[in-house]
Amino acid sequence: QSALTQPRSVSGSPGQSVTISCTGTSSDVGRYNFVSWYLQHPGKAPKLMIYDVSERPSGVPDRFSGSKSGNTASLTISGLQAEDEADYYCCSYAGTYSPYVFGTGTKVTVL
Amino acid sequence: EVQLVQSGAEVKKPGESLKISCKGSGYTFTNYWIGWVRQMPGEGLEWMGIFNPGDSDARYNASFRGQISISTDNSITTAYLQWSRLKASDTAIYYCVRRPTITGAPLDYWGQGILVTVSS
Repeated sequence: QSALTQPRSVSGSPGQSVTISCTGTSSDVGRYNFVSWYLQHPGKAPKLMIYDVSERPSGVPDRFSGSKSGNTASLTISGLQAEDEADYYCCSYAGTYSPYVFGTGTKVTVL
Repeated sequence: EVQLVQSGAEVKKPGESLKISCKGSGYTFTNYWIGWVRQMPGEGLEWMGIFNPGDSDARYNASFRGQISISTDNSITTAYLQWSRLKASDTAIYYCVRRPTITGAPLDYWGQGILVTVSS
């Protein structure tokens, strides 16, 4: 079970949009609509931002949106804000006996 | 309010055993799976394993199977992650996580993390 592939870093200016890709295989991202995204600020625990590909938990701003096409899921942050600067991880369900695989993580920098 | 509160930082020597804990509150403990995620220094997240307190069903990442053990004490709504023989490479932050029982559900709540340092 290999980690999902994410870009090491992405950056944007305040107000711009950035998109983070998350590439898996036909056994995880491509097979199930159970992709989630987590935000992690330095020294803090990760926080759930998106689940089931595109659903937002209560309290998550609608600037965050998710999508999926084939074996690749994406997280888009619109109207980038300084507080969005963090590490982001995707995660996919991968079946009953080994349910989760995380992405390699992407550092988002707000210029 | 749902909370997962983890025990404090640990410093151990290689070969020693360790059991760290995670106390859940604000929800029905036996209605949700509870799992553990590792983050080595400067690295990403790795799913280690997950445990159903309701029926003691456990699932482990193949990379960790045989190296760790996950259990719960439902009477005190606490989950545990245990090693019988630590290695220096076990140095990491360990997060406990909650997962609803629905297939494919996300890890919706996280503990604050425990830093485990293994050094001679």
